[in-house]
Amino acid sequence: EAGVTQFPSHSVIEKGQTVTLRCDPISGHDNLYWYRRVMGKEIKFLLHFVKESKQDESGMPNNRFLAERTGGTYSTLKVQPAELEDSGVYFCASSQVGAGLSQYFGPGTRLTVL
Amino acid sequence: AQSVSQHNHHVILSEAASLELGCNYSYGGTVNLFWYVQYPGQHLQLLLKYFSGDPLVKGIKGFEAEFIKSKFSFNLRKPSVQWSDTAEYFCAVPGSTLGRLYFGRGTQLTVWP
Repeated sequence: EAGVTQFPSHSVIEKGQTVTLRCDPISGHDNLYWYRRVMGKEIKFLLHFVKESKQDESGMPNNRFLAERTGGTYSTLKVQPAELEDSGVYFCASSQVGAGLSQYFGPGTRLTVL
Repeated sequence: AQSVSQHNHHVILSEAASLELGCNYSYGGTVNLFWYVQYPGQHLQLLLKYFSGDPLVKGIKGFEAEFIKSKFSFNLRKPSVQWSDTAEYFCAVPGSTLGRLYFGRGTQLTVWP
């Protein structure tokens, strides 16, 4: 069974540019989560999808961040325009409905904003 | 709001030494607790979890953790570490709405051969 995959693994962009991160959850997992870890800090929740619906987006930092999950499969997280403080590692996780507490994580995307 | 504290940010041990990593949580509801591990270059993966029942939980690779309700703690232990245990370890609790996890800041464990 394929695990959670994320693309790209690394992204280096300049302040003001746009970046789109992608997450492919484990097949059949309706729950999809985005987290972020800024260097030296804890991993923080961004948002939670159940299928294509946003269940909880209270962790999104501001309106420069837009997450989508069209069709309830893969998800994208767009940052537009990127700021220096957006640098960090963005993790995606997925789980089955009813097993929301057992989350499987992807390898993360390391975003560097210069 | 839920929170998790990991007091050790970097632990350095020699092989065969015993390990205990501290985790304290603040949570008002039903307690579920997790330890995740991230080996160098790998995904974050679940090491062990506590949902209910026996407060001493066994995980993969010889790790165990004990839930002590009176101390709000869920410390991770291993009697004899190996070089391959070098990794970052995270304690986590779920939020009141099922789904989101609250993580501690992580503990980097370095084991010297």
